[in-house]
Amino acid sequence: GAVVSQHPSWVICKSGTSVKIECRSLDFQATTMFWYRQFPKQSLMLMATSNEGSKATYEQGVEKDKFLINHASLTLSTLTVTSAHPEDSSFYICSAAHSGGARETQYFGPGTRLLVL
Amino acid sequence: EDKVVQSPLSLVVHEGDTVTLNCSYEVTNFRSLLWYKQEKKAPTFLFMLTSSGIEKKSGRLSSILDKKELFSILNITATQTGDSAIYLCAVKTGTASKLTFGTGTRLQVTL
Repeated sequence: GAVVSQHPSWVICKSGTSVKIECRSLDFQATTMFWYRQFPKQSLMLMATSNEGSKATYEQGVEKDKFLINHASLTLSTLTVTSAHPEDSSFYICSAAHSGGARETQYFGPGTRLLVL
Repeated sequence: EDKVVQSPLSLVVHEGDTVTLNCSYEVTNFRSLLWYKQEKKAPTFLFMLTSSGIEKKSGRLSSILDKKELFSILNITATQTGDSAIYLCAVKTGTASKLTFGTGTRLQVTL
C-alpha cells in the first residue's frame, strides 16, 4: 500500500509555543489530506480536510486560527498548533488520499504525539 | 449528524476463538465503509466495502456490508495474539470523502 510519513513522531513543548507537524505522501500524489485528533481511549475525530492549493475545510468546533493547515504541494501538508495549551495534548494523525471517488482509500501516517506542559 | 456505532466496545477471547465485530451507521450520502486495525500507532487499512452482500476476505479476516440494515461485520477466525488491537469502522460520506469513525472495538486475544 501507499506510504505516508509524519514528522515529528512525538513532541513535548511549553504552553504558549507553536508546534508544526508535517505529513508527507512518499510514493503517490495526494489530492486530499486529512487531519485527525485522537484522545486516549477515544476514536479518531476529523479536524479538517486539506486540498492542495486551496484553503482547508474545518469541522465544526475546530478553530481554524488555532490549527493552521497548509497544503503546499501534492505530497506535503502541515498542521501548526499555534499557542499550544495542555488541553491540545493529543495524538494527531494525518491521512492522504489518491483521488476522489467511492473507491478512494485513505492511508494513514504513523501519528504525532503532542504533549504540552 | 453522521453517526457510526461499534459493538462490543471491548472483547477478550482465547487464542483460536472466532470473533465477530459489529458496526452500524446512520449517515447521509453514504459512499463506502472501511475497516481499520490500530495497534500502537496509526490505523492500517483492512477492507473497503461499497456493495451489499459481497464478502471481502483476507486470510483469517472477512467482512460484509448490509446497506439495507445499515451495518457491517468483521469476522476473525482462529484468532492469534497478534490480532490484539483496536478495530475501527469508518464510513465515507459526501463528495469530499470524509471519514466518520466509530469508537472502535478493543480486542484482546489471550493464550
